[in-house]
Amino acid sequence: GAVVSQHPSWVICKSGTSVKIECRSLDFQATTMFWYRQFPKQSLMLMATSNEGSKATYEQGVEKDKFLINHASLTLSTLTVTSAHPEDSSFYICSALDDANSPLHFGNGTRLTVT
Amino acid sequence: ELKVEQNPLFLSMQEGKNYTIYCNYSTTSDRLYWYRQDPGKSLESLFVLLSNGAVKQEGRLMASLDTKARLSTLHITAAVHDLSATYFCAVEETSGSRLTFGEGTQLTVNP
Repeated sequence: GAVVSQHPSWVICKSGTSVKIECRSLDFQATTMFWYRQFPKQSLMLMATSNEGSKATYEQGVEKDKFLINHASLTLSTLTVTSAHPEDSSFYICSALDDANSPLHFGNGTRLTVT
Repeated sequence: ELKVEQNPLFLSMQEGKNYTIYCNYSTTSDRLYWYRQDPGKSLESLFVLLSNGAVKQEGRLMASLDTKARLSTLHITAAVHDLSATYFCAVEETSGSRLTFGEGTQLTVNP
């Protein structure tokens, strides 16, 4: 089955530093990937839609200059949290679309803790 | 704006009992998904419902979709402890577009 790999699984960083999270589709090409954020005991909230070869589409309230998304190939999208602050601590999950009639395939998530 | 509401948000039940989780959504859609999430983990796909009247079953779980009522149900039959998890429904407005998730239902099945 289709697999989405997310790396790293967890990361602890100091406030003010930047963190990059990778999302790879391992056995299919994904023109579209989605980045979600989930705070404890809450649902998933879409942050942005990442399209290969073009700029990401950000949801309302998500700072595009803070959460940099790059989708340079059909199998890789990256999310960089710039100048991270403790309030950015969350569970970040990517997903990728294989074909329009299949469910999204989700990565294993990245738990970010900013100290 | 699409809104997706789940009910109940918390559910504690005994093993062997039956229960239903409801998922209502606010705009027209015929694509609905159910996911399971264990603590600290990502999402596991359970069901894909792509048309009105769709019904799918896997083990003790059965999901249905009524697009006219904008309602999906996840029915649990003879619950077992292993079903303890958080269950999310998610609605896709159009094919290949983003998902809007419900708040999640935290299910605890007690021995």
